[in-house]
Amino acid sequence: NAGVMQNPRHLVRRRGQEARLRCSPMKGHSHVYWYRQLPEEGLKFMVYLQKENIIDESGMPKERFSAEFPKEGPSILRIQQVVRGDSAAYFCASSTGDGTEAFFGQGTRLTVV
Amino acid sequence: KQEVTQIPAALSVPEGENLVLNCSFTDSAIYNLQWFRQDPGKGLTSLLLIQSSQREQTSGRLNASLDKSSGRSTLYIAASQPGDSATYLCAMDNGGNMLTFGGGTRLMVKP
Repeated sequence: NAGVMQNPRHLVRRRGQEARLRCSPMKGHSHVYWYRQLPEEGLKFMVYLQKENIIDESGMPKERFSAEFPKEGPSILRIQQVVRGDSAAYFCASSTGDGTEAFFGQGTRLTVV
Repeated sequence: KQEVTQIPAALSVPEGENLVLNCSFTDSAIYNLQWFRQDPGKGLTSLLLIQSSQREQTSGRLNASLDKSSGRSTLYIAASQPGDSATYLCAMDNGGNMLTFGGGTRLMVKP
């Protein structure tokens, strides 16, 4: 079991470009969670997805950010028209959804230049 | 809305000391509480998970306690080592594995 896999590990984008962050959950996990860690700040919940459904997106910025978890393939966090304030570490976690713990990936560090 | 606070924000101790990291939370209706370790520029490593019905969990030199009535958890590290230097995060699960994190305690253990 390879654990939660996130790629890329590091991503550099110019202002105005799009960023796509991918997360492959642990085998057998159908619940995915995205968190953001801004520089010198704590981790903040963004969105919770099950296969093909968004369960809770209360932490997602209202504009430019979207997330999906298709029936096949990884979960994608998409940031359109990136700005410098989007520079952060984005972490993905997965679980079986039955109240057991969620496991975290190594994160994607996004730098907007 | 759950709020999680960790005190102190930073801590520096000499090697060998026993130490306690504190975490407080506002909403006692939690499913579980988790302590994580984060090294600079790295991901999160889960250290201990305490279910709502439990009072404490132990793993090696680490012991975590949970007191829901007072809204507090502590992480006790015995005989600290330089390799313990990292940021320690506590997180509350109020349901659905959506975690609310504290701001972390940056620990430095000096040789």
